[in-house]
Formats: sequence, structure tokens, C-alpha cells
Amino acid sequence: DQQVKQNSPSLSVQEGRISILNCDYTNSMFDYFLWYKKYPAEGPTFLISISSIKDKNEDGRFTVFLNKSAKHLSLHIVPSQPGDSAVYFCAASWGGSNYKLTFGKGTLLTVNP
Amino acid sequence: DVKVTQSSRYLVKRTGEKVFLECVQDMDHENMFWYRQDPGLGLRLIYFSYDVKMKEKGDIPEGYSVSREKKERFSLILESASTNQTSMYLCASSFQGYEQYFGPGTRLTVT
Repeated sequence: DQQVKQNSPSLSVQEGRISILNCDYTNSMFDYFLWYKKYPAEGPTFLISISSIKDKNEDGRFTVFLNKSAKHLSLHIVPSQPGDSAVYFCAASWGGSNYKLTFGKGTLLTVNP
Repeated sequence: DVKVTQSSRYLVKRTGEKVFLECVQDMDHENMFWYRQDPGLGLRLIYFSYDVKMKEKGDIPEGYSVSREKKERFSLILESASTNQTSMYLCASSFQGYEQYFGPGTRLTVT
């Protein structure tokens, strides 16, 4: 049973426009969510996170929104740049999990110049 | 900066061989993790360790074992490699929090 779902395997946007990556979860215990970015042949790098006590967190061009009632979160990148082209993974965890993360399958973002 | 290193970037092994993948972190992190990444399947947790000599199975532990004799080092062992273990293996570590720091990965091919 897939507890964290990224239903779009890929997304293509123009440079300068907004990229919106979506993630849904099914486990009501999850109370912390993270986004990771991964380039080919490299390990994932942490991008931004959000706790369930918030509904929005911003860091520069990256904003994560959390809708707990819908069990949905999204990552907005504004403006998108070609260097943002990568696979983005959504991950979720909860306090009693020994800090284990459950990852989605990832979305490949391509930003076209 | 946190540094997580993995012993090899690329590895080719034969079916039936015993394979050791080594991971070292330099930040005194309590928790260490082994994942595999396969196309269309995302990152799946194989094993993790929350202290020296402590380990816990992840979602796909079959065919793997781990060893953590020192805090900074976490080893993944494939007792008898099979072709379905061809994958990208990623090690990660974390302190007492959710954010995990990943190594560069080992691309293992079993022929």
C-alpha cells in the first residue's frame, strides 16, 4: 500500500513560469513532510520541509503548502530555472517512527529555457 | 557541512557473490539508513539503524543484512547477490530529526 503518492511522473514547464509538484498521503499519523531534489548520479538533497502545525513554509523560490484535511501537499517553484530540472521526491514521517521517511515515487521536472 | 560517503560509485558483481556496501558519515549522527532507488519505484527503505549495534528492518529487507559496529559506519551486505538486486543504493544519516543527508549512491550491477 503506497502511503505517499506522487501521481505525476513528469512535469515540463517554461523557464520563468511556476512549477507545481503535488503529493498525496494516506497515513493520518504523518505529521512532518519534506521535499528532496535529486540529480542523476547524485544522492537526494533536502529542499524544504513543513510540520503539520503549519499550512505553508517558504524558502526563497520554494514554497510548500499543506492541506491536512485533503491529505495533500504541494511544492511551488517560482520562478522556475533550468537548473531546477531534477527528480523531486515527497517524503513523510511521524513522531513515533524513529525518524523513518516514507518516500513517494518522484516527479521528473524539466524546465525548458 | 555534513558529509556522507559511500565506498564505491559503481560496482559490478556476479550472481551469488557476497557484496559489501560501506557508508560513513562524519557528523556523529545517531540514525543511518539504507535505501534502494529503482525507476518508477522511488526510494525504498531496506534497513536502518538508530544506534550502534541497533538495527531495524525497513520495507524491503529480504536478501540484505546490515552491520553497525561503529557510530559513523553502516554497512549493507548482500549475502548472495542476485540480478534483481541490480539498483542504485543510497545511504543516509540524520541526527535527532527528520532531515536526512544522503551519500552520492552506489550503482550496483549484478550479472
